[in-house]
This record gives sequence, C-alpha cells and structure tokens, in this order.
Amino acid sequence: DAKTTQPTSMDCAEGRAANLPCNHSTISGNEYVYWYRQIHSQGPQYIIHGLKNNETNEMASLIITEDRKSSTLILPHATLRDTAVYYCIVKGKLIFGQGTELSVKP
Amino acid sequence: DTGVSQNPRHKITKRGQNVTFRCDPISEHNRLYWYRQTLGQGPEFLTYFQNEAQLEKSRLLSDRFSAERPKGSFSTLEIQRTEQGDSAMYLCASSSYRDEETQYFGPGTRLLVL
Repeated sequence: DAKTTQPTSMDCAEGRAANLPCNHSTISGNEYVYWYRQIHSQGPQYIIHGLKNNETNEMASLIITEDRKSSTLILPHATLRDTAVYYCIVKGKLIFGQGTELSVKP
Repeated sequence: DTGVSQNPRHKITKRGQNVTFRCDPISEHNRLYWYRQTLGQGPEFLTYFQNEAQLEKSRLLSDRFSAERPKGSFSTLEIQRTEQGDSAMYLCASSSYRDEETQYFGPGTRLLVL
C-alpha cells in the first residue's frame, strides 16, 4: 500500500478556504485517494475520494495532480466545526498516518 | 438507521480481566472492520469481515484478541487477560457491497486497563 505524507498541523481563519495537501508519490494506477477527518473523541468521518479526476461533494473538493503523486483537500469556507485531524489515505486497508491537525480560528 | 453503534462507549477494567466489545454496523453493510487508536496516533487496522468470514487479521491482533461476526450482522471483539498496553480506543466501521472502500465509523469504545 502507498504511503502518504501530510503536514502535522495547519491553521485557517474562519470563513476562509482551508487547503490541506497530501503527498502520495508511490501511488499505484488503480489506487484511490480517500480523505477522512476525526473530530476530537469521535470516530473518523468519510469526506471524499477520487482516482484521477477532481471531485466535489457537499463537504469538500478534492484536487488530484495529473501525475497523481499529490492531492489537495479544499474546505471552501471553513467553520469552527471543521477543526479536526484530517487523514489522507490511499486505498488499501485504510492505513491512517498521523494526519493534519487543522485548527480553524475565529 | 442511525449509523454504526458500539457498546459500551467506555470500559475500565483491571489488568488480567477479559473484556468484550460489540459493534452493530449499518444494516445491509457486508463488510465490518475493527481498528485500534492510541492517543495522538491515527487508527490502526486490526481485522475485517466480509459477511461472517474473517478475511484478514493484522499482526497487531495478538492471540489474546479474538473477533467474531457469527451471523454476518453484529460483531464482537474480545480481549483476554488484558494488559495496560491494551488501553486504547477501539473503533468499528462498516461498508456496503456497493462501495466497499468507503467506511463509516462508529463512535468507538474507550478501554482503560488499570
């Protein structure tokens, strides 16, 4: 399974877009990129996934580079409730790394 | 259906005791997963079932751990002779045959071994 690399932490101002990067340079051609988040003391929550095209749903947008070696999760208008740890995972057995701790500040 | 449920939500036990946790997946989800999460770390895969068959077990799942899903619906995770190192959050997730890789997690069972 491909490994992912994410920044340990990020801050974002409330109402602004939060852009969370992820590197997955060893991704295989048929492996999807998944994003989950975990709010403190809760179970992880599915956000979005994609293979090679950009994806958007009611929660977020996922931008995958053409070579598929990296991706960015975009929360277009971050709110305080989006404060959480965000995990980027390449399809497999959902091998979670340490994720990015996003703090949305007023 | 309100999602994946887990019971109990919290468990405190003494070292050496056995504990059992239960997970009720979203109905009609055929895959069920167990993870363990310690403080400051991401969840670690333990095992998963497709219907009642246990298809994979992580090497993290020592001989003291056993999981079952006898009728392909709810699952139990038992830890025998608990050790202090077993203290963690135990998470359950389920997924549908339509989209097996998108997992829906329960709230977890937090175990503290004294």
